[in-house]
Amino acid sequence: EVQLVESGGGLVQPGGSLRLSCAASGFTFSTSPMTWVRQATGKGLERVATISGNGGNTYYGDFVKGRFTISRDNSKNTLFLQMDSLRAEDTAIYYCAKCGGGSTCFFDCWGQGTLVTVSS
Amino acid sequence: EIVLTQSPGTLSLSPGERATLSCRASQGVTSSYLAWYQQRPGQAPRLLIYGASSRATGIPDRFSGSGSGTDFTLTISRLEPEDFAVYYCQQYGNSPLTFGGGTTVEIQ
Repeated sequence: EVQLVESGGGLVQPGGSLRLSCAASGFTFSTSPMTWVRQATGKGLERVATISGNGGNTYYGDFVKGRFTISRDNSKNTLFLQMDSLRAEDTAIYYCAKCGGGSTCFFDCWGQGTLVTVSS
Repeated sequence: EIVLTQSPGTLSLSPGERATLSCRASQGVTSSYLAWYQQRPGQAPRLLIYGASSRATGIPDRFSGSGSGTDFTLTISRLEPEDFAVYYCQQYGNSPLTFGGGTTVEIQ
């Protein structure tokens, strides 16, 4: 069974940092592009960042502006999102999602999400 | 960037009725790389349709997708109680990939 389990969310002050993790199982992690998608309360879905299977290629949404870093450890089947210089508008549920479709990216498996709250 | 506009914003229907949801793109979606997701309250999204018309694993055949170019449709032939949820479209043929704003299907 394909499974994604996020962790690392919590309450952080503006300007602070958090590192999210996503533990993957049930599929060949090292060949699967992975993505972080976020959703503010009552709002729609927004792609944050994507990383290729070998970690050599990354993509970020414009709103990240150098503040976030996506990475992966294929030896541990784990995806990460390092978030620095956090702002109130970054408050959201952060989902990790597996890209289906080979080189294209629709999301065929999602984790349960981890809540990030940026507030003083 | 391709903007996806979903309509209507809210659809009020009864169980057993047919639901037709629209997703319109601001420019043509490459190779019909269009997906649909269902999100129930308090849950993560779930993939329903990819490639505009291919059902994902385990998705009931009352869900169907159609369309190409700039106009896409998700149809639920007979609404079951568990189908009342929010539905999102997403295009992944053009960078950056983008999501629509969602359509809520609510019980009338």
